[in-house]
Amino acid sequence: DQQVKQNSPSLSVQEGRISILNCDYTNSMFDYFLWYKKYPAEGPTFLISISSIKDKNEDGRFTVFLNKSAKHLSLHIVPSQPGDSAVYFCAASAGGSQGNLIFGKGTKLSVKP
Amino acid sequence: DAGITQSPRHKVTETGTPVTLRCHQTENHRYMYWYRQDPGHGLRLIHYSYGVKDTDKGEVSDGYSVSRSKTEDFLLTLESATSSQTSVYFCATSAKVDTQYFGPGTRLTVL
Repeated sequence: DQQVKQNSPSLSVQEGRISILNCDYTNSMFDYFLWYKKYPAEGPTFLISISSIKDKNEDGRFTVFLNKSAKHLSLHIVPSQPGDSAVYFCAASAGGSQGNLIFGKGTKLSVKP
Repeated sequence: DAGITQSPRHKVTETGTPVTLRCHQTENHRYMYWYRQDPGHGLRLIHYSYGVKDTDKGEVSDGYSVSRSKTEDFLLTLESATSSQTSVYFCATSAKVDTQYFGPGTRLTVL
């Protein structure tokens, strides 16, 4: 049973617009959430994270929102750029589990010029 | 980013042969991980290490073993490779129980 779900396999957005990538989780013990970005033939790159004690974390064009009651988080990219085209993975971990991350299956973002 | 290298970067092997993949880090991170990535599955944890000689199984550990004799090296061994182990393998490290940093990956093809 998937504990971290990214229900949209792909997303297409126009350059300059907002990209919103969504992630749902089922395990209420998760207390740390991360987003990774992956280009083809490269390893995933850490993008942004959020602790369960917060509901928002911002880093430049990237903002992650956490709604604990809905067990939902989202990544907003504003404004979207063609270089943002990649696969985005949501990941979650529960404290005390050696930091083991549970990953979603990823969402492929395409930003059109 | 943590200095993480993986070798080899590409390998083609035959069913039944042993294969060892190496992950090397220069950041002195305590934790190291091996994942595989397959279409439709995202990243799945194979094994992890929380210190020298301390390892444990992940979600998809069957058919794999690991060893960590030094802080900087984490080896993944397929004792007898099968076609189902054709995948892209990623190593990751972390200093503590939080953000993990990934290597560039090894593409393994088992014929």
